[in-house]
Amino acid sequence: AQTVTQSQPEMSVQEAETVTLSCTYDTSESDYYLFWYKQPPSRQMILVIRQEAYKQQNATENRFSVNFQKAAKSFSLKISDSQLGDAAMYFCAYKDEYGNKLVFGAGTILRVKS
Amino acid sequence: EAGVAQSPRYKIIEKRQSVAFWCNPISGHATLYWYQQILGQGPKLLIQFQNNGVVDDSQLPKDRFSAERLKGVDSTLKIQPAKLEDSAVYLCASSLVRASGGARDTQYFGPGTRLTVL
Repeated sequence: AQTVTQSQPEMSVQEAETVTLSCTYDTSESDYYLFWYKQPPSRQMILVIRQEAYKQQNATENRFSVNFQKAAKSFSLKISDSQLGDAAMYFCAYKDEYGNKLVFGAGTILRVKS
Repeated sequence: EAGVAQSPRYKIIEKRQSVAFWCNPISGHATLYWYQQILGQGPKLLIQFQNNGVVDDSQLPKDRFSAERLKGVDSTLKIQPAKLEDSAVYLCASSLVRASGGARDTQYFGPGTRLTVL
């Protein structure tokens, strides 16, 4: 079974600085999809960024980018120019090529200091 | 475009009581998911519907949990009887096409229902 591990329970970053959240996963599949979701306090979960495993190019969405290392099964999220609104729980998630359920990591709480 | 709606937002019950949650997905979304999110953990899929048929309920505790999606739109999730360990946030999500659409098929989440079992 696929597993997703987020080894950082909590991270802090100064406003306007850059922070990287780590994620590793375990799978025997060659084609799959990886996601980062953001869950603000008491608010609903939203998709931040996604990556197809067959694409070598790292995905970017404005201030958010990923470092996808397929051989190492690593998928980190970099947030540049951090803003107070980035404070939230961030979940890394995996989905296989057959489109079955999302498998989530335990999450990383990101705190942004002004 | 209206998002995924869930009700109630909060529910407190005693153990052995019954409870039901309701979800209204985004209009036109064929696939609907129920997740259980225990405090400090990531969401875990309980059940997945494609229209009104069940695609995956392998992690649904069927002795006490049930779910239905009548007419392929709204869905209800029921717990009967509730246990202390059922305290969690129950998230509903929906996606436009069949889940095998891959990364193109984004799951949109509702605000969740926070259940406390005393």
